[in-house]
Amino acid sequence: DGGITQSPKYLFRKEGQNVTLSCEQNLNHDAMYWYRQDPGQGLRLIYYSQIVNDFQKGDIAEGYSVSREKKESFPLTVTSAQKNPTAFYLCASSPVEGVAYEQYFGPGTRLTVT
Amino acid sequence: GENVEQHPSTLSVQEGDSAVIKCTYSDSASNYFPWYKQELGKRPQLIIDIRSNVGEKKDQRIAVTLNKTAKHFSLHITETQPEDSAVYFCAASLGTNAGKSTFGDGTTLTVKP
Repeated sequence: DGGITQSPKYLFRKEGQNVTLSCEQNLNHDAMYWYRQDPGQGLRLIYYSQIVNDFQKGDIAEGYSVSREKKESFPLTVTSAQKNPTAFYLCASSPVEGVAYEQYFGPGTRLTVT
Repeated sequence: GENVEQHPSTLSVQEGDSAVIKCTYSDSASNYFPWYKQELGKRPQLIIDIRSNVGEKKDQRIAVTLNKTAKHFSLHITETQPEDSAVYFCAASLGTNAGKSTFGDGTTLTVKP
């Protein structure tokens, strides 16, 4: 079960506050990803990073920000600009060696904003 | 960009029956097609994958087929068991883009004992 961790498991915030979700991996993977999961909508990509100090927007990046200062860490900040932030957030990682590989997911953080 | 459609959204079968989930993709350059299983309250985990140079792959009761011409791939589960009940996601990935995958919306499989 280890390898990629997310904390906390549940997070509650008031509307208008920024909140940062943690994601750490010890798999020595180069690529890391953030997804948002809503009921019936599958996994939607927020941001991804292939290498330290570099990241790209995914399909639904508005209202979110990330950083990749270390290979092991890829924190996601949900800003007050995100219109509907309540969701289940999944972090994932994978090796990048010229071909695509499976993604290893963390246990997720369920964020509730009221 | 890539678009992946997955059907059906829900599937209910009797224990011992087979289950088939189908996905179509739009980008003919996609070359990696994983399937993930997500049990209730848990993280998605890879159950089988296939690359574009292969037409079929099997692992015990699970198989995946790929038709590159038609741009669709399917997951086949035989002799279903109650523990197969979960949400299944297909994905399509272009290997040269950091493994970035586009996921289908998921299929909720219920296996009735």
